[in-house]
Amino acid sequence: GQNIDQPTEMTATEGAIVQINCTYQTSGFNGLFWYQQHAGEAPTFLSYNVLDGLEEKGRFSSFLSRSKGYSYLLLKELQMKDSASYLCAVKDSNYQLIWGAGTKLIIKP
Amino acid sequence: EAGVVQSPRYKIIEKKQPVAFWCNPISGHNTLYWYLQNLGQGPELLIRYENEEAVDESQLPKDQFSAERLKGVDSTLKIQPGELGDSAVYLCASSPGGTGRFTGELFFGEGSRLTVL
Repeated sequence: GQNIDQPTEMTATEGAIVQINCTYQTSGFNGLFWYQQHAGEAPTFLSYNVLDGLEEKGRFSSFLSRSKGYSYLLLKELQMKDSASYLCAVKDSNYQLIWGAGTKLIIKP
Repeated sequence: EAGVVQSPRYKIIEKKQPVAFWCNPISGHNTLYWYLQNLGQGPELLIRYENEEAVDESQLPKDQFSAERLKGVDSTLKIQPGELGDSAVYLCASSPGGTGRFTGELFFGEGSRLTVL
């Protein structure tokens, strides 16, 4: 079966750095995505990795290791507005998105 | 540019009643998705359209759910009859291009929150 695992909840302090991990087992791989979802709102696209390595975009970075079936989202200089759920999704061999359950990130002052 | 528009935002129905949700995707987006999302879970695909053709409806419970996308633009998702377990947020999303050109970025609507009493 296809499976994506990420922690259910994480807590971090404003101004700090947090790393949200995602491991996956899918039938084929055509890219990994991170989405942000604030409570009661729709998911919004954050990043896309298809090759191994780190992709940096401002305060957010995403890393991929295809051989390990592993990715992480790194958030720097945390702000209160970063409190949200972060969803990991993998595009499988049929080009379908397989979604994780999301990691709820709580930022404390 | 207008985003994906969904209505209604909230709907409360009694068990066994029908309900319908409407979605208007971003102009020019050929691919339209309906997802179901329960609290604390990721989205679950119900149906995917390429233009007016349903290309993936394997997860759509056809004894209760139906969908259509007339003229390859707007779409409606219907539930009849509504059951207690159908309480969830129904998300519509769109993306440009077909399967082979799928970049992965989906543009979601605000969602329709259904409560079945």
